[in-house]
Amino acid sequence: GDSVTQMEGPVTLSEEAFLTINCTYTATGYPSLFWYVQYPGEGLQLLLKATKADDKGSNKGFEATYRKETTSFHLEKGSVQVSDSAVYFCALRGGTSYGKLTFGQGTILTVHP
Amino acid sequence: GAVVSQHPSRVICKSGTSVKIECRSLDFQATTMFWYRQFPKKSLMLMATSNEGSKATYEQGVEKDKFLINHASLTLSTLTVTSAHPEDSSFYICSATNPSSSTDTQYFGPGTRLTVL
Repeated sequence: GDSVTQMEGPVTLSEEAFLTINCTYTATGYPSLFWYVQYPGEGLQLLLKATKADDKGSNKGFEATYRKETTSFHLEKGSVQVSDSAVYFCALRGGTSYGKLTFGQGTILTVHP
Repeated sequence: GAVVSQHPSRVICKSGTSVKIECRSLDFQATTMFWYRQFPKKSLMLMATSNEGSKATYEQGVEKDKFLINHASLTLSTLTVTSAHPEDSSFYICSATNPSSSTDTQYFGPGTRLTVL
């Protein structure tokens, strides 16, 4: 079945550091890929998405590129801020299962001033 | 602001009792809502898909008689954990899709922390 694997956390960075959170997936068909963010005390929010190979999703300085050849969707940001501290989830929606999301285990990011 | 709400945000109950969790879409009508369960340091696991006016579709391994889902209106779905036991303690999260939106983004509620003593 479909699965998503994220890098183990927690990740701790200083402000303005470069961020990479790795995400790889296994799926049948042609899935759409997502990054969700969960700030403390809030629900999950869609951060960015990509629906086909080589698409790049971007939002709030974060980027991720849909790499079919490596089945990856790594999240990157060039300069993190304290306000980026949150839990980040990589997810996929399979081509044959409308609406159903399969999540990775989440990565806790803490950014220090 | 939040477009999906959950109530309560946290609940503590005794073993053997039943607990109802509500999920509401605040400014759109959701024909489909989803219920997830999140264990500590684990990913969200889809429990069931709630369809307005029809029976919910449960994922493999989820006991439908234990986790009762009702989607009686286009803005409300409820999850009732029946005869709760300590192993049911978890973080339950719902989400909804706005069928009127040009995108298929799922909007998530803030979650409900259930603790069964």
